[in-house]
Amino acid sequence: DVKVTQSSRYLVKRTGEKVFLECVQDMDHENMFWYRQDPGLGLRLIYFSYDVKMKEKGDIPEGYSVSREKKERFSLILESASTNQTSMYLCASSPGQGSTYEQYFGPGTRLTVT
Amino acid sequence: SQQGEEDPQALSIQEGENATMNCSYKTSINNLQWYRQNSGRGLVHLILIRSNEREKHSGRLRVTLDTSKKSSSLLITASRAADTASYFCATGRGGSYIPTFGRGTSLIVHP
Repeated sequence: DVKVTQSSRYLVKRTGEKVFLECVQDMDHENMFWYRQDPGLGLRLIYFSYDVKMKEKGDIPEGYSVSREKKERFSLILESASTNQTSMYLCASSPGQGSTYEQYFGPGTRLTVT
Repeated sequence: SQQGEEDPQALSIQEGENATMNCSYKTSINNLQWYRQNSGRGLVHLILIRSNEREKHSGRLRVTLDTSKKSSSLLITASRAADTASYFCATGRGGSYIPTFGRGTSLIVHP
């Protein structure tokens, strides 16, 4: 079974702090994604990566950055956390292009910024 | 930007009844997927249907796709309390391997 793990289920941070959310997948997938999920807005893509050290902006990249130094790990960084970044963050992975596009999700990190 | 839109937003039924959710989209797609999300958890892939397929089954799930109407439906037969979750459709376009998610349908199945 594919497993996608996220470093924390719940996280509380203060405004202005730098926040790291870690995601690890164990199926050698090329593609990794970060979404945020807010009530009434569904899933919105923040960033994705199709290879080590490669990254692409999604629909809402402002205030975020990412890092992919190893194939299995994709980190989301909030450079200076703000209250409007309070949300559920979901990491996902999928096999390389040309395959079935099915995504495998982690359990999510509920981040609260106070 | 969101491609698929689920309908209804919320659905409440009794155990044993069938649940039907619909997804409409605007531009042509090459596949459509359905996912389930239990409260406060990640999404789980249920089924993928390609644009050249009209119907697909998986256990108690039946998915249909009508590309002329740009719509899909997910039918859960003989629902159980454990089916209580949010259900999302996600559309894949062109050569993109990134699905675009709708806002979801919240299903409650009462025991």
